[in-house]
Amino acid sequence: NAGVMQNPRHLVRRRGQEARLRCSPMKGHSHVYWYRQLPEEGLKFMVYLQKENIIDESGMPKERFSAEFPKEGPSILRIQQVVRGDSAAYFCASSEGTSNTEAFFGQGTRLTVV
Amino acid sequence: QKEVEQDPGPLSVPEGAIVSLNCTYSNSAFQYFMWYRQYSRKGPELLMYTYSSGNKEDGRFTAQVDKSSKYISLFIRDSQPSDSATYLCAIFNMDSNYQLIWGAGTKLIIKP
Repeated sequence: NAGVMQNPRHLVRRRGQEARLRCSPMKGHSHVYWYRQLPEEGLKFMVYLQKENIIDESGMPKERFSAEFPKEGPSILRIQQVVRGDSAAYFCASSEGTSNTEAFFGQGTRLTVV
Repeated sequence: QKEVEQDPGPLSVPEGAIVSLNCTYSNSAFQYFMWYRQYSRKGPELLMYTYSSGNKEDGRFTAQVDKSSKYISLFIRDSQPSDSATYLCAIFNMDSNYQLIWGAGTKLIIKP
């Protein structure tokens, strides 16, 4: 049973481009959480999704950021018109149920905006 | 004031020492207290979690919660170089059990 898979592991984008980060949850998991981690800081909750539904996006910036978790395929975190401040590690976690005590994290995608 | 405070370190100790890692929090409504280990360039890995006050032991690791002083600790006995990592505390309550509130993480270095 493969763990949570995130790709790409590293992503470099120029300012103004779009970044697409993908997260394939563990088999059997239908809950996905996205977090952002800045250097020397803890993780910050961004969004919680279940299949085809956004449950809570209160941690996500109102503009340029969006997330989806379609019925088929991975969850996608999309950042449009990236700026330097978007440079960070983005982690995805998945769980079978609704509790964080059961969530497993992926290896993260490190986004660098140049 | 941050909801969860954690000293970023680094904390450097010799192999075999007992390590004490700590966090303080501000909201008394928090119920679940978790410790994660994060190796460089990797995702966080859940070590253990506790509910409410008290101690919980798992091998060389002991998690301790003191709700009266809003203080949580992780102790590592017989520390190994492989324990070198960043340790993050995370807290949540059941009203919002997917919104973990994270400490900044303490970088731990175990010297052989």
